[in-house]
Amino acid sequence: GAVVSQHPSWVICKSGTSVKIECRSLDFQATTMFWYRQFPKQSLMLMATSNEGSKATYEQGVEKDKFLINHASLTLSTLTVTSAHPEDSSFYICSARDDLRGGGDTQYFGPGTRLTVL
Amino acid sequence: GQQLNQSPQSMFIQEGEDVSMNCTSSSIFNTWLWYKQDPGEGPVLLIALYKAGELTSNGRLTAQFGITRKDSFLNISASIPSDVGIYFCAGRQAGGTSYGKLTFGQGTILTVHP
Repeated sequence: GAVVSQHPSWVICKSGTSVKIECRSLDFQATTMFWYRQFPKQSLMLMATSNEGSKATYEQGVEKDKFLINHASLTLSTLTVTSAHPEDSSFYICSARDDLRGGGDTQYFGPGTRLTVL
Repeated sequence: GQQLNQSPQSMFIQEGEDVSMNCTSSSIFNTWLWYKQDPGEGPVLLIALYKAGELTSNGRLTAQFGITRKDSFLNISASIPSDVGIYFCAGRQAGGTSYGKLTFGQGTILTVHP
């Protein structure tokens, strides 16, 4: 149980294009999902908290117009990197909190999406 | 934002040895979580701790929620090559305004020599 998927697992795009990454909780409902960014050999950096049915909450320094988040259902959140540039190249990871499982702080992570912007 | 102080940053051990790593904070935490991340993958939950003093095992792994609620440790007994990876501690700070938001340690890179 508590499986989170991400799609795509990797993507290469040209500078200036937009890329959408999907995060799905496969066997549980998740009112809240989180989007992280990770650089090589570094820890996870929280970008935003995605809330089903309401606007995402962005961390300080994260451009909300560049990283669009839509939490359309209890099992799906999407992150769209708009007008991507090479500096946006990174490993993007989502996580989800199980609404019903005890210990609501536990986050289950997806496998990550490697974005490379040329 | 605040980060947890996780140590050691890296460990090089022989197969069969025991491993110990810990995380400390100047703030009180309500939850401590331990994750393992393999290269190119997302973190996988190893152990979750919800109460001060709690000691929980998962196979060869044992973790404890410190009594002061400001620290946690993870032990791995009889290490094997597949234990290689990056281990992260994470926790939810008490009194935080953002529900469910976790703070992460810097990670411990574990290398196991056969």
